[in-house]
Amino acid sequence: LAKTTQPISMDSYEGQEVNITCSHNNIATNDYITWYQQFPSQGPRFIIQGYKTKVTNEVASLFIPADRKSSTLSLPRVSLSDTAVYYCLVGATENMNSGGYQKVTFGTGTKLQVIP
Amino acid sequence: DADVTQTPRNRITKTGKRIMLECSQTKGHDRMYWYRQDPGLGLRLIYYSFDVKDINKGEISDGYSVSRQAQAKFSLSLESAIPNQTALYFCATSDPQTSGRDNEQFFGPGTRLTVL
Repeated sequence: LAKTTQPISMDSYEGQEVNITCSHNNIATNDYITWYQQFPSQGPRFIIQGYKTKVTNEVASLFIPADRKSSTLSLPRVSLSDTAVYYCLVGATENMNSGGYQKVTFGTGTKLQVIP
Repeated sequence: DADVTQTPRNRITKTGKRIMLECSQTKGHDRMYWYRQDPGLGLRLIYYSFDVKDINKGEISDGYSVSRQAQAKFSLSLESAIPNQTALYFCATSDPQTSGRDNEQFFGPGTRLTVL
């Protein structure tokens, strides 16, 4: 299993860009990097996924260097509603039979607190 | 995600009681999962199922059992509840081929279980 390491918590003021970095030194060749967001008392919600370089959607950007041993989730101009826990996951499930699953694991996440 | 429902949403029970948590989904996904979440420990996989005839243990399956009654239903049972099973339980579904994204899981609202 590819283990991930991310900061336990971060604070940011409203309107600022927030970058959360995740380390995954033993990422495998076919692993994807995926980020989830979780609000209190709710299930996690998929934000973004990438394999290499940069991915951008309406919510965030994901930067992945060439060695893929880390990744950075970038949230532009955060608001109070972005206060949540953000999880970085690495793994691959596509075309995998059930006997081979367990490669995707949730760590403890990064608790982002947005300050007015 | 409203397409994944869990019942009950909250449950208080006593040590030694048998408890069943139910999960239903209307997404038509073959893959379903049960996680538990404890403060400071992130989400940990209990059991998963890749189709109706497939059941697999996750990283913390001891003390739990599951039943996949149909594609849409996946139940988690605690045969004899104990206090350290007090946690927030999440059901999730996925279908990498239809979503087009590996590692994208859709979570239910969670069940808060307290064992006294």
